[in-house]
Order: sequence, then C-alpha cells, then structure tokens
Amino acid sequence: AQKITQTQPGMFVQEKEAVTLDCTYDTSDPSYGLFWYKQPSSGEMIFLIYQGSYDQQNATEGRYSLNFQKARKSANLVISASQLGDSAMYFCAMREGPLAGNQFYFGTGTSLTVIP
Amino acid sequence: DAGVIQSPRHEVTEMGQEVTLRCKPISGHNSLFWYRQTMMRGLELLIYFNNNVPIDDSGMPEDRFSAKMPNASFSTLKIQPSEPRDSAVYFCASSLMAKNIQYFGAGTRLSVL
Repeated sequence: AQKITQTQPGMFVQEKEAVTLDCTYDTSDPSYGLFWYKQPSSGEMIFLIYQGSYDQQNATEGRYSLNFQKARKSANLVISASQLGDSAMYFCAMREGPLAGNQFYFGTGTSLTVIP
Repeated sequence: DAGVIQSPRHEVTEMGQEVTLRCKPISGHNSLFWYRQTMMRGLELLIYFNNNVPIDDSGMPEDRFSAKMPNASFSTLKIQPSEPRDSAVYFCASSLMAKNIQYFGAGTRLSVL
C-alpha cells in the first residue's frame, strides 16, 4: 500500500477562494509527523506546515491549515483566500516514528493553479 | 540563517564523467537527507545521515552513487560514472532530529548527455 496518497493530480481555484488539497496516509506507528511542502515552478521545496500525530489541535500557519482526521488517516491542506502566487505543486509527506525506522515518505503531488 | 546551500545549481556533464554534488546543512541541524526528483519517479529519498553517520542508504540506486558527510557542515553526493538516466534534480535537506521538519536546498539540476 502507498504510504502517502494524493488523489488529485491537478486542481484549479479562483483567486480569493479557499481550496482543499487531499492527502491520506498509511502507518501503524502511533508516533508520526505529517508535512506539506510547496514547490513553485522555480523548483525549490518550501516547508508549509507540520502536524504531529499526538497534536490535539489542527496545525495552522497563516493562510494554511491542516485538517487532521486521525481516524480516517487524512491530513488535508486547506489554503484560504488563494493568491496567484499559490500556483505550484504541493506535496504531502509523512515521517514515521522510531518503531518504523524513522522513514520519510512523499506523495506524488497535486498541481494547483489559481485563476485570476 | 542562510538555509541549506547546494552547489552547483546546474551541472551538465557527459556520460562516464564523475559528478560531485555538494551540500551545506543549516547550522545546528543534525540530520541530512539527499533526494532525487524526476518526472517519472517523483521525489525519492536516496540516503540520510544522523550526526554525520549514514543511517539508511537503501534508496541509493546502485554502486555508482556514494555519499559522505565528513563533518556536521558538509556533505557530498558523488556519481561515478554518470549515465544519462541519472539526469534529475538532486535535493539536499536538513533537520533537527527532534522536530523532524526538513528544510530543503534549492537543488542541483543535473543533465548527463
């Protein structure tokens, strides 16, 4: 089974609207971390947001929030008030804990296009 | 902080040549990762180090690839001999083990002709 699944190869959103990028994960380790990264066309990988498996609250960073549903093993990224500069590839990632060897996995990414 | 620094940013070489990619992690970080990104295979973890020691090199494609971390502030990824299928963007990332957030360098775009 895939460790990280991003089912949306491409998404479009109108400027100033909110958008949700889906991510599901698979692990049996109780301790893990979930991450989202942004990769604009310039190529760099930019860290956006982190959620620990034991965190009670959903993580938020400015316009980014992570909708963490532990029982469903989903960690969707919500971008509010989309901007043209949000157009990029978005990668969901997971770091398993020491019981699983601290392995790190990336999803295949979602390409987001913000329409003016 | 300057962030993770990779050099060169672009490398064009001929098949059979040796290629060395360099990485300087963020000061104070004790984990370092090398990734390869291609359209076909996405982002692949090649190897990672904790406290300068290689922990998992299962992602290294074959013996032509080797990585070293002689000290906490420098790592190299070497390909010898290079082949056209090695063409990709190679990223280095570093993290504080406790927090596990990886910060990436700008990448090296390698083209092997």
